[in-house]
Amino acid sequence: QVQLVQSGAEVKKPGASVRVSCKASGYSFTTYYMHWVRQAPGQGLEWMGIINPSGGSTTYAQKLQGRVTMTRDTSTSTVNMELSSLRSEDTAVYYCARRGGVQGFDIWGQGTMVTVSS
Amino acid sequence: EIVLTQSPGTLSLSPGERATLSCTASHIVSSNYLAWYQHKPGQAPRLLISGASSRATGIPDRFSGSGSGTDFTLTISRLEPGDFAVYYCQQYTDSPITFGQGTRLEIK
Repeated sequence: QVQLVQSGAEVKKPGASVRVSCKASGYSFTTYYMHWVRQAPGQGLEWMGIINPSGGSTTYAQKLQGRVTMTRDTSTSTVNMELSSLRSEDTAVYYCARRGGVQGFDIWGQGTMVTVSS
Repeated sequence: EIVLTQSPGTLSLSPGERATLSCTASHIVSSNYLAWYQHKPGQAPRLLISGASSRATGIPDRFSGSGSGTDFTLTISRLEPGDFAVYYCQQYTDSPITFGQGTRLEIK
């Protein structure tokens, strides 16, 4: 079946970097754009950016520009999100989500908890 | 950036009642690229509605979306216990993609 499986929880110190992976299966990986969304504790959903798995082009949310990098590996149908210079405000659950054509985000990963703490 | 404002912030209703959730955009949402999601604790968000009014696969017809331009509505006709959650609207017509702040639907 169509699914996105993310890597496991991470605990990082302020200033460090974290990489979260998202492996797609059950569909043509290069056909659908992939997005990253995060939710800090007690907060709403925040869009982080998008990657085109076909060509690798990206667009990032302005507030994360310079700290976030999204990449893809077509050989493993995996997209990665790396966030650097971590601060406590980056503590959140991070989700990858597929944009289903003209639909919204129809398939989501299970979420990855990233905790930033000294 | 298109800012989405959801109302009310919290809605307290009983099972069997009808829920009406609103989402107002600061600018016109082109092509009605407006989606609604249900989000429960510990789970990923679930797509309910795309294109303002099209139900996603497997979503019961108790859920319906309407609206165009800047004003959109999600209606749940007869609430069931599993419907109590946080609901977000999202516009995906323009970058950056934005979400509303959410409406918490709680049991009265």
